[in-house]
Amino acid sequence: GQQVMQIPQYQHVQEGEDFTTYCNSSTTLSNIQWYKQRPGGHPVFLIQLVKSGEVKKQKRLTFQFGEAKKNSSLHITATQTTDVGTYFCAGAGEYGNKLVFGAGTILRVKS
Amino acid sequence: EAQVTQNPRYLITVTGKKLTVTCSQNMNHEYMSWYRQDPGLGLRQIYYSMNVEVTDKGDVPEGYKVSRKEKRNFPLILESPSPNQTSLYFCASSLTGSSWNTIYFGEGSWLTVV
Repeated sequence: GQQVMQIPQYQHVQEGEDFTTYCNSSTTLSNIQWYKQRPGGHPVFLIQLVKSGEVKKQKRLTFQFGEAKKNSSLHITATQTTDVGTYFCAGAGEYGNKLVFGAGTILRVKS
Repeated sequence: EAQVTQNPRYLITVTGKKLTVTCSQNMNHEYMSWYRQDPGLGLRQIYYSMNVEVTDKGDVPEGYKVSRKEKRNFPLILESPSPNQTSLYFCASSLTGSSWNTIYFGEGSWLTVV
């Protein structure tokens, strides 16, 4: 079945440093969504990307969808302690069937 | 307030003792599902329901049952829990089963089976 691989599994950064998590699929995706789960919380929707090469920004967060629609990334500029949590990508196959979640990247920020 | 509510939030139970985790959503969503979250494995779908009386297996359905008698409710049943079902469980809903819809998650239920 469809698989979505997410790396790294874990990252610990100093406050103010940048952070990036990557999501890769062996098959073309119709769309990809990103979710954030705060420690002790539940996943909350951040954004959806649907177009090849699409780039979207939310303040210090930049989301990209690859040209081939097989990979995506989330980049956080100048991390803050409020950024801690687990970031999940979720992708759907080319014909828009169900979303499959990556394993998530745990971000810890040292102040 | 739009929300997905699940209960109990925390539960310790013994092997073999049947339990039910309830889930209710107030957004009139057609699609509901259950996930379990385990370290390093992310969110894995257990069962899903496209609409009332329509349920189907997800990626890890063994040991679980569900029912969808009403649109708003989607309980998860563990007939004979085992220690490998110790996990964090999330109920979720979305407008329809399309992958284009946002998924709304409940607050999670921590289950420990001893």
